[in-house]
Amino acid sequence: EIVLTQSPATLSLSPGERATLSCRASQSVGTYLAWYQQKPGQAPRLLISDASKRATGIPGRFSGSGSGTDFTLTISSLEPEDFAVYYCQQRGDWPPKWTFGQGTKVEIK
Amino acid sequence: QVQLVESGGGVVQPGRSLRLSCAASGFTFSRVGMHWVRQAPGNGPEWVAVIWFDGSDKYYADSVKGRFTISRDNSKNTLYLQMNSLRAEDSAVYYCARDLRKIAFDVWGQGAMVTVSS
Repeated sequence: EIVLTQSPATLSLSPGERATLSCRASQSVGTYLAWYQQKPGQAPRLLISDASKRATGIPGRFSGSGSGTDFTLTISSLEPEDFAVYYCQQRGDWPPKWTFGQGTKVEIK
Repeated sequence: QVQLVESGGGVVQPGRSLRLSCAASGFTFSRVGMHWVRQAPGNGPEWVAVIWFDGSDKYYADSVKGRFTISRDNSKNTLYLQMNSLRAEDSAVYYCARDLRKIAFDVWGQGAMVTVSS
């Protein structure tokens, strides 16, 4: 089973700063990787699919990159509403299984 | 607008059964795969099961295989999750989610809480 490891566990930043979140897979997932944002009491929201494609309605300050085993989610300039938990997720090979990382919390410094 | 609404959650004793429903609207339900994803308090999401658009294939997480059954009724735009032999570790918020090209989940419901406790 492919394991996703996210780092750091917590990122303390101020509004306007750049956030860089990492997700590493235990084996190659190609570009079958997605990123989600989750706020307390809400369902996760898809930000990025296919490692770098922004989902509908997602602001341009969110960008994804990487392939294989190393992936990055970048928030170019943090807005107050961006403070949340972020999860990466991959779809393994056949039979398909979808797994999530343990999450990175972006908190206000 | 595109919407998924879960129902059927509640408190149930270990070993008992529960069925969740997910009503879809705002898109052509019969053309997309659908998933159940759960999240225990304080944990990250955990994928549970998927069913293809026409119900032809279903896959399950190892943790629920043999106990849970995913199904759908395309005439009613509704997804189901039959949960049998429930355990304390099945306690979580259960979300239905729309499949995006077998890679990700692009629409989520608001979730249904399931608590397994004696």
